[in-house]
Amino acid sequence: AQKITQTQPGMFVQEKEAVTLDCTYDTSDQSYGLFWYKQPSSGEMIFLIYQGSYDEQNATEGRYSLNFQKARKSANLVISASQLGDSAMYFCAMSPDSNYQLIWGAGTKLIIKP
Amino acid sequence: GAGVSQSPRYKVAKRGQDVALRCDPISGHVSLFWYQQALGQGPEFLTYFQNEAQLDKSGLPSDRFFAERPEGSVSTLKIQRTQQEDSAVYLCASRAGTGVFYEQYFGPGTRLTVT
Repeated sequence: AQKITQTQPGMFVQEKEAVTLDCTYDTSDQSYGLFWYKQPSSGEMIFLIYQGSYDEQNATEGRYSLNFQKARKSANLVISASQLGDSAMYFCAMSPDSNYQLIWGAGTKLIIKP
Repeated sequence: GAGVSQSPRYKVAKRGQDVALRCDPISGHVSLFWYQQALGQGPEFLTYFQNEAQLDKSGLPSDRFFAERPEGSVSTLKIQRTQQEDSAVYLCASRAGTGVFYEQYFGPGTRLTVT
């Protein structure tokens, strides 16, 4: 079965601290992409970062980095120096080679405290 | 360049009415997806187009749902005889290529409320 699991329904983090959002995945495909999206209360789904299954280095985009551990099938998102504007829902998603669609996790609601 | 746009942003329909939701993808994007998102949940796949071809419609919940992309650009999702359980946000996304290593870019969504 192809599945994404996000075990943290909600998190509170103090402003300026780093935060790690967990994501594990399950697929038998050798080729797949892993994505993180941010959805603020306004509702728009914003692409943050991508990791390919063949990439040996962890992806980074500004304050976002993806901690990719292929053997453990995990793709955690790390946000450094969190800001109030980071408060949002965060979704992990997978695009397996055998499937057109994105497989989504249930999301983590992140709240940054001032 | 412009992102993905959707219209209308909000739609209220009486139960039994037909609705049409429009998606304008990023220019040149080959792939187009429709998703349904219930409150507090992740998106659920509805259907996928590669250019004008609808390659996967396995996520459409019933035969009341119909999608088209006749010229490989703009797409319309039509829901006939709307029911209360159709109330959700409908997201459209486009992707430059067809492989797994391309990210999907999303529009702002259409929030449908069926009364």
